[in-house]
Amino acid sequence: KNEVEQSPQNLTAQEGEFITINCSYSVGISALHWLQQHPGGGIVSLFMLSSGKKKHGRLIATINIQEKHSSLHITASHPRDSAVYICAVSSPPNQFYFGTGTSLTVIP
Amino acid sequence: DAGITQSPRHKVTETGTPVTLRCHQTENHRYMYWYRQDPGHGLRLIHYSYGVKDTDKGEVSDGYSVSRSKTEDFLLTLESATSSQTSVYFCAISEQGTGVSPLHFGNGTRLTVT
Repeated sequence: KNEVEQSPQNLTAQEGEFITINCSYSVGISALHWLQQHPGGGIVSLFMLSSGKKKHGRLIATINIQEKHSSLHITASHPRDSAVYICAVSSPPNQFYFGTGTSLTVIP
Repeated sequence: DAGITQSPRHKVTETGTPVTLRCHQTENHRYMYWYRQDPGHGLRLIHYSYGVKDTDKGEVSDGYSVSRSKTEDFLLTLESATSSQTSVYFCAISEQGTGVSPLHFGNGTRLTVT
């Protein structure tokens, strides 16, 4: 049983499209994290949120605590957005669960 | 970018040999973590540290040990490497723990056990 589920597993989009990646979790959390991993391996923290919505450039992350669901949106997608996007949750007291990631390919 | 350096970046070793991976940070963050990443499993926690000489096990700790004698260094040791430990290993740091602070990752160490 996975505490964090992401959908879709794989996603191909045309440049310029609006993209949504979903994350559902089954545990109580103190925070939810969105991470980005490019080919070649480096992992970057995009967002950490515990309520509401955060925006950074073309990226928007939302969370609904009652529904235990988060979404990552990418507006005006670009080939450089191609990466694996990973959802992870911090669950008290010391647990941290990762989803298996969504592989995004943006085609020019 | 957070100052996190993993060494070595790549290593090939033989079954049964000991291996030590190093994670060095310049951020003075309290929390440090070792993860492994395998296809189909995502990232899994091996061990973590919440201070100098304070460490605890993660979900896949068997066959691994860690040490943290200084704030900036967190070492992961495979006492006797096995082929099942072939993986990509990531170190991460967090200022106050993942419940309140973001995670920052190193660039990873690709370990192959033959």
